[in-house]
Amino acid sequence: AQKITQTQPGMFVQEKEAVTLDCTYDTSDQSYGLFWYKQPSSGEMIFLIYQGSYDEQNATEGRYSLNFQKARKSANLVISASQLGDSAMYFCAMRENLSGGYNKLIFGAGTRLAVHP
Amino acid sequence: EPEVTQTPSHQVTQMGQEVILRCVPISNHLYFYWYRQILGQKVEFLVSFYNNEISEKSEIFDDQFSVERPDGSNFTLKIRSTKLEDSAMYFCASTRGAPLTNHNEQFFGPGTRLTVL
Repeated sequence: AQKITQTQPGMFVQEKEAVTLDCTYDTSDQSYGLFWYKQPSSGEMIFLIYQGSYDEQNATEGRYSLNFQKARKSANLVISASQLGDSAMYFCAMRENLSGGYNKLIFGAGTRLAVHP
Repeated sequence: EPEVTQTPSHQVTQMGQEVILRCVPISNHLYFYWYRQILGQKVEFLVSFYNNEISEKSEIFDDQFSVERPDGSNFTLKIRSTKLEDSAMYFCASTRGAPLTNHNEQFFGPGTRLTVL
């Protein structure tokens, strides 16, 4: 069964510094997708970045980049130049492919990031 | 920018009562999902829905749960007889196209916080 592991329950970073949030995954599928979502205290889930298993380049979206190491089965999120508004819960998720062509997301336990001024 | 909407934002109910959580997915999306997040825990898949039928459901999604797309826009989750342990944030999500052909980001709604007393 697929599994996502986020080993850091909480992290803190100084404003304007970079921070790396860890995510490792386990799957026997050859084709899969990895996602990062941000959940602020208001509760909504905000999509940040996606990495496909066959993508050769690491994904980047503005200040977010994904350090994808396929052999190590890791997909760490790097946030550069942290801002106070980055304080939130961050979830790593993997797309699990189901029979019939459907899929679902498997989420990790999350990492709570606190950005200090 | 199109978005998934959910109503109500917060629902309080007595144990044993029926609740219906409503979602309006993005209009050209074809695949719909419900997820649950118990306070302080990770997001868990409940059910996926395509072409007016359930395509996959988790072990959480027992006979007390049902989903429906009563018209062309709404997607509902019904809990027939709520239990205390049903208290959670419920997220609706939708995706656009065939799940395996692209990264197929799942767009999440803002969630409905269900409190069962």
